[in-house]
Amino acid sequence: DAKTTQPTSMDCAEGRAANLPCNHSTISGNEYVYWYRQIHSQGPQYIIHGLKNNETNEMASLIITEDRKSSTLILPHATLRDTAVYYCIAVGYGNKLVFGAGTILRVKS
Amino acid sequence: DTGVSQDPRHKITKRGQNVTFRCDPISEHNRLYWYRQTLGQGPEFLTYFQNEAQLEKSRLLSDRFSAERPKGSFSTLEIQRTEQGDSAMYLCASSFGRFGPNEQFFGPGTRLTVL
Repeated sequence: DAKTTQPTSMDCAEGRAANLPCNHSTISGNEYVYWYRQIHSQGPQYIIHGLKNNETNEMASLIITEDRKSSTLILPHATLRDTAVYYCIAVGYGNKLVFGAGTILRVKS
Repeated sequence: DTGVSQDPRHKITKRGQNVTFRCDPISEHNRLYWYRQTLGQGPEFLTYFQNEAQLEKSRLLSDRFSAERPKGSFSTLEIQRTEQGDSAMYLCASSFGRFGPNEQFFGPGTRLTVL
């Protein structure tokens, strides 16, 4: 599975969009980009995933560059409850999730 | 809507004792995963079942660890002769699918403390 690189931490003002970048320059053609988040003391929670095209669901949007070497998770209107560790993971057919250190997102009022 | 459940939520044991954790996945999910998470780190994959078959096991998993999913439903993770380094959160996840990656639903975890 390809390695991903994320910033250690980010701050975002409540109500503003949170844009979380992820670099996955060695991603292979059959690997999907998955995003999970983990709120303190809870199990990780699935957010969104994509292969080539941009994706949107009720939680977030995922923008994947044309060369697939990087992506951005967008939380359109961040709230205090979005404070969490966000993990970007390249997932192949092996199914297992290989978590890195993730990005600590702090949403501030 | 019942999600993934894990039991117990907390376990304190003395070094050298055996412990067993249980995971009940979402009922129609055929895949089940175990992960371990230590403080300040992301979860680390331990093992994976598709139905009752254990299809992958991490090389980091010592032979003191064993996992079963006898009827393709609930799963147990046993740690024999626990060591202080086994102290961690043990997370279970489940998903449904045949081929390719799928969204995994995580349980709340079992926090193990080895004294």
